[in-house]
Amino acid sequence: DIQMTQSPSSLSASVGDRVTITCRASQSITSYLNWYQHKPGKAPKILIYAASSLQNGVPSRFSGSGSGTDFSLTISNLQPEDSATYYCQQSYKTPRAFGQGTKVEIK
Amino acid sequence: QVQLVQSGAEVKKPGASVKVSCKASGYSFISYYIHWVRQAPGQGLEWMGLINPTGGRTSYPQKFQGRVTMTRDTSTSTVYMELSSLRSEDTAVYYCAREVPTVTTRYLDDWGQGTLVIVSS
Repeated sequence: DIQMTQSPSSLSASVGDRVTITCRASQSITSYLNWYQHKPGKAPKILIYAASSLQNGVPSRFSGSGSGTDFSLTISNLQPEDSATYYCQQSYKTPRAFGQGTKVEIK
Repeated sequence: QVQLVQSGAEVKKPGASVKVSCKASGYSFISYYIHWVRQAPGQGLEWMGLINPTGGRTSYPQKFQGRVTMTRDTSTSTVYMELSSLRSEDTAVYYCAREVPTVTTRYLDDWGQGTLVIVSS
């Protein structure tokens, strides 16, 4: 099975900051990597698919990069509404593991 | 528009089973896989498996093999997830989600509202 390792597990940053979350797969998943945002009491929401493609309607301050085993999600100009937990998930093959999540807190 | 509407909250005793439904609308039901994902209190998202509504083929991670069963009813565009031999660690919010395939990947685009399952004696 493919393991997904995210870091950090949590971070705290100020409005306007740029933050980066990393995700590493235990084997190559080419670009089969997606990023989700999850807020308490709501369903998760797709932000980035295929490692770097921005989902329609998602603000352009979110961006993704990487391929193979190493990936990153960057939030530029952090906003208060970005407070959430972010998960990577590989869709290369089953089982479709998620990373452990990164909780982003706004100072 | 695409909608996935899940059944309501459940309270079950340890050892019992729970069956959660996910009714789809707004798209061709048989054309898209449905996944199940759960989140236990204070924990991250956990993938529980998927079902292909066309033929009913399923895929489950080893952790849930023998305990989870996903089925579908094409006449009502509904997918079901049944989890048996419940224990307290199964207390979680359970989500269904529709997988959208693209040329370069596949991702979970539309989600149900979540169903809280509490396992308590």
